[in-house]
Amino acid sequence: SYELTQPPSVSVSPGQTASITCSGDKLGDKYTYWYHQKPGQSPVLVIYQDNRRPSGIPERFSGSNSGNTATLTISGTQAMDEADYYCQAWDNNTGVFGGGTKLTVL
Amino acid sequence: EVHLVQSGAEVKKPGESLKISCKGSGYSFTAYWIGWVRQMPGKGLEWMGIIYPGDSDTRYNPSFQGQVTISADKSITTAYLQWSSLKASDTAMYYCARHARFAGNYHLVDWGQGTLVTVSS
Repeated sequence: SYELTQPPSVSVSPGQTASITCSGDKLGDKYTYWYHQKPGQSPVLVIYQDNRRPSGIPERFSGSNSGNTATLTISGTQAMDEADYYCQAWDNNTGVFGGGTKLTVL
Repeated sequence: EVHLVQSGAEVKKPGESLKISCKGSGYSFTAYWIGWVRQMPGKGLEWMGIIYPGDSDTRYNPSFQGQVTISADKSITTAYLQWSSLKASDTAMYYCARHARFAGNYHLVDWGQGTLVTVSS
């Protein structure tokens, strides 16, 4: 089965740029989606089709996808961005999530 | 505005059956796939499967095939996740989510608030 690999944790200082990676075999040939989940809340879609932002998602969120790696970038990270982030792709009629990355803003 | 409202928390014993629900509103229920995601305590998200309420076409993650049943009643715009015999390892938060499709790919656009299922003797 298809697997997506994320780093367990990423730390960033407020105002700096955070990058969260998601790796999978030929992931660049698929669309990647990103969600964030704050404690006690449901996940929220923040990037779809590699680099598109749903309405209501701040411009500081962006995405890219090439080769075997997709990247979620948060520019000017704010304390409110602290959350778990999950990538997701679609493979062989099945949704697949990465293991998640805990973003700490300190 | 899209709303997905899930049924309340459940506490069950191993071997019991359970059906949890997710009522959709604010969109055309029969025009979008709706599915379920498991999150075990302190763990990540796991995609379980989806159903197209328009014709009841259903797709399962192989890891969950045969373990659960996904269904929908379009007359009351409600999707369901069902177990015939619960195990302690089914203890988790379960989210329903409206899926959008593009170029054969699906992603989860809107999420319910989650239903906590606890299975314990």
